[in-house]
Amino acid sequence: DTGVSQDPRHKITKRGQNVTFRCDPISEHNRLYWYRQTLGQGPEFLTYFQNEAQLEKSRLLSDRFSAERPKGSFSTLEIQRTEQGDSAMYLCASSPSRGNTEAFFGQGTRLTVV
Amino acid sequence: AQKVTQAQTEISVVEKEDVTLDCVYETRDTTYYLFWYKQPPSGELVFLIRRNSFDEQNEISGRYSWNFQKSTSSFNFTITASQVVDSAVYFCALSDVRGDTGRRALTFGSGTRLQVQP
Repeated sequence: DTGVSQDPRHKITKRGQNVTFRCDPISEHNRLYWYRQTLGQGPEFLTYFQNEAQLEKSRLLSDRFSAERPKGSFSTLEIQRTEQGDSAMYLCASSPSRGNTEAFFGQGTRLTVV
Repeated sequence: AQKVTQAQTEISVVEKEDVTLDCVYETRDTTYYLFWYKQPPSGELVFLIRRNSFDEQNEISGRYSWNFQKSTSSFNFTITASQVVDSAVYFCALSDVRGDTGRRALTFGSGTRLQVQP
């Protein structure tokens, strides 16, 4: 399978715990995005990488959130001291660096904070 | 600021009916891209179509067709002869083109849930 892969698919955690999600983009894609989707809403942009450089973070990304893409390949999104409001689907997408092609999305990680 | 509005929260039709999903957008950019994605229950967003702001030609792909009207800032999606497998949430999205970082992040609407009854 050469699509975008996300792990885990589901995560249940207690409030206050830290969680980390992984995204493996399509191998030749330089651009990588993280989005958050809450129930009944469309995805919202969180952050953007071009290769290993994190070039942009939205205001939705509080200080408790950190994302990395250490070698320009896979990416991780960590949430520290989780809160119930963090419960959502976290989607990763990737696209090539050339042109304006569509982004390819993974199946997401559904986080539930109890 | 960019905004995408999908006023129809949920639509229910009977199989073989035609259905149109509405999308209205706002942007100050003169160059932009519009997209439609399908999200089945599995959760993965599936790309359907991309249009750039300079190409207002309507497009047909099988049972799917798209009507882009720049004058009304609309990009509507029609499914002809709907099928049960078309049941999903459909999202319209607008691309934010940033020349300095190359970001192509999407601004999504809130989605329209389509239920096709057998």
